[in-house]
Amino acid sequence: AQKITQTQPGMFVQEKEAVTLDCTYDTSDQSYGLFWYKQPSSGEMIFLIYQGSYDEQNATEGRYSLNFQKARKSANLVISASQLGDSAMYFCAMRELIGNTDKLIFGTGTRLQVFP
Amino acid sequence: DSGVTQTPKHLITATGQRVTLRCSPRSGDLSVYWYQQSLDQGLQFLIQYYNGEERAKGNILERFSAQQFPDLHSELNLSSLELGDSALYFCASSPEIGLAGTNEQFFGPGTRLTVL
Repeated sequence: AQKITQTQPGMFVQEKEAVTLDCTYDTSDQSYGLFWYKQPSSGEMIFLIYQGSYDEQNATEGRYSLNFQKARKSANLVISASQLGDSAMYFCAMRELIGNTDKLIFGTGTRLQVFP
Repeated sequence: DSGVTQTPKHLITATGQRVTLRCSPRSGDLSVYWYQQSLDQGLQFLIQYYNGEERAKGNILERFSAQQFPDLHSELNLSSLELGDSALYFCASSPEIGLAGTNEQFFGPGTRLTVL
């Protein structure tokens, strides 16, 4: 079965600094997708970035980039130039696609706090 | 705003009661997913519907049921409620299933259920 592991329950970063949130995954599939979502204190889940297993380049979306190391089965999220508004829970997720079933499996999340 | 709507936003009820959570997917999205986020279980996939048909079941209790209507909105019914059912329930939608590419799931704002 597929599994997502986020080993950092909490992280602190100073405003304007970069921070890396770790994510490792376990799958026997050759084709898979990895996602990062942000959940602020208001509760909604906000999609940040996606990386496909066959993508040759690391995904980037503005200040977010994904450090994808396939051999190590890691998909770390890098946030550059942190802002106070980045304080939130961050979830790494893997897409499990079996037949017509298409669901997300989530890690336990990392709480990021950005301080001035 | 993801385009996915959920009602109600908050729900407080007593043990043994039954409640219905409602979700309207993004316009044109055929697939609806329900997830439960609780403190002890994290984010868990409950059930998936595609164009009115049930596609996959996750860790959904027998006391819970769902359906997707012809207009594609979905309802999650929770009965014989227990204290442990208190959680944030998310609905997500995506255009189709089984496609290559991102196939991002767009999350609604969630319904926070409190069972007293």
